Amino acid sequence: GQNIDQPTEMTATEGAIVQINCTYQTSGFNGLFWYQQHAGEAPTFLSYNVLDGLEEKGRFSSFLSRSKGYSYLLLKELQMKDSASYLCAARNSGNTPLVFGKGTRLSVIA
Amino acid sequence: DAGVIQSPRHEVTEMGQEVTLRCKPISGHNSLFWYRQTMMRGLELLIYFNNNVPIDDSGMPEDRFSAKMPNASFSTLKIQPSEPRDSAVYFCASGLGRQGIRTPSPTGELFFGEGSRLTVL
Repeated sequence: GQNIDQPTEMTATEGAIVQINCTYQTSGFNGLFWYQQHAGEAPTFLSYNVLDGLEEKGRFSSFLSRSKGYSYLLLKELQMKDSASYLCAARNSGNTPLVFGKGTRLSVIA
Repeated sequence: DAGVIQSPRHEVTEMGQEVTLRCKPISGHNSLFWYRQTMMRGLELLIYFNNNVPIDDSGMPEDRFSAKMPNASFSTLKIQPSEPRDSAVYFCASGLGRQGIRTPSPTGELFFGEGSRLTVL
């Protein structure tokens, strides 16, 4: 079966750094994705990891450890507009659909 | 370039009525996915198509749900008859699989439409 786990909610302060963890169990593996979803809007692509290590993209970084079935999304210099849900998703193989976690609702406070 | 286009954005209907949701994927994408999102269950895959052919519909809740993709630029998701428990946001997403001839998204990420919020009373 397939299972994606991530915390339900997190709160962090403007200007700080926050790490959102995700563990996954899939029958195969062909990539780990992070999406951002603001309330009432569509999910939008943030990052992709298929090899172990850290991928950095501006204020956002994503890390993957395939042996541990673990990923995290790191957000630096938090801004109020970063308040959103962050969805972790895994792909089994090839062109199969993404399996999503339930999302982590991040609240950035002043 | 236009993104994934869904209609209607909002629909309120009464139990027992037929509901049809529509999706136009991004031009050139060869995979199309229908997801449903609720607070309790998150984003769940209902069905997906590759090159207009349904590949996996095991996520479709029951026979009341059906989906079609008559051509590369259009898909529908139909619920007949609708029930209150069908209330959710339905997302259509498209992507480029291995058989695509263009590679605007080499990571193979999905591009989502704005969603159709369905309320069944």
